[in-house]
Amino acid sequence: QVQLQESGPGLVKPSESLSLTCTVPGGFISGYCWSWIRQPPGKGLEWIGCIYYSGSTNYNPSLKSRVTMSMDTSKNQFSLKLSSVTAADTAVYYCATESTGRLDYWGQGALVTVSS
Amino acid sequence: EIVLTQSPATLSLSPGERATLSCRASQSVSSYVAWYQQKPGQAPRLLIYDASSRATGTPARFSGSGSGTDFTLTISGLEPEDFAVYYCQQRRDWLRTFGQGTKVEIK
Repeated sequence: QVQLQESGPGLVKPSESLSLTCTVPGGFISGYCWSWIRQPPGKGLEWIGCIYYSGSTNYNPSLKSRVTMSMDTSKNQFSLKLSSVTAADTAVYYCATESTGRLDYWGQGALVTVSS
Repeated sequence: EIVLTQSPATLSLSPGERATLSCRASQSVSSYVAWYQQKPGQAPRLLIYDASSRATGTPARFSGSGSGTDFTLTISGLEPEDFAVYYCQQRRDWLRTFGQGTKVEIK
């Protein structure tokens, strides 16, 4: 069982950057791709991307120009930064673990609202 | 990008009835489909992976089938806790995509 916990500001102004952190209390497990998924209110799921323990990343091309993922193994955390946000980026953001393509464990989600 | 189309959008059934949910891929994804259940205010939960393998803790009333482009999630007898939204997801392509979801509601 892997526990995940998202944290970060719940309100971000348009054109600014959204930053979220996912804490993994039990530490990182090699072989997982540490993932971010988002869900606009009342809508479906969108895969944002993931980062491996090695630091290599895969990003959704629709967001690639604005997304940066990073990992801090000393703090058992991985992070998402999304730049130049608009109202369309308002969503619940989930961190999750991906093992051979399946998203096994999820955080509880963090609602981020983009508004001035 | 592989597009997953789920049908129907909403399924209205009574407890005890059988639910059949469909997921169709825009191109072959082999057997690389997972199914998730999401209840209001909760994160999605993995139910089925690789089309037909139940995840740890998934009740036996949930079964998955299919390969190529057509996949089915079957709930053999709906329990009250099964009324939720269900999503399929593919891992055939490195760009992971989800279907738009099927809501199973109480009739």
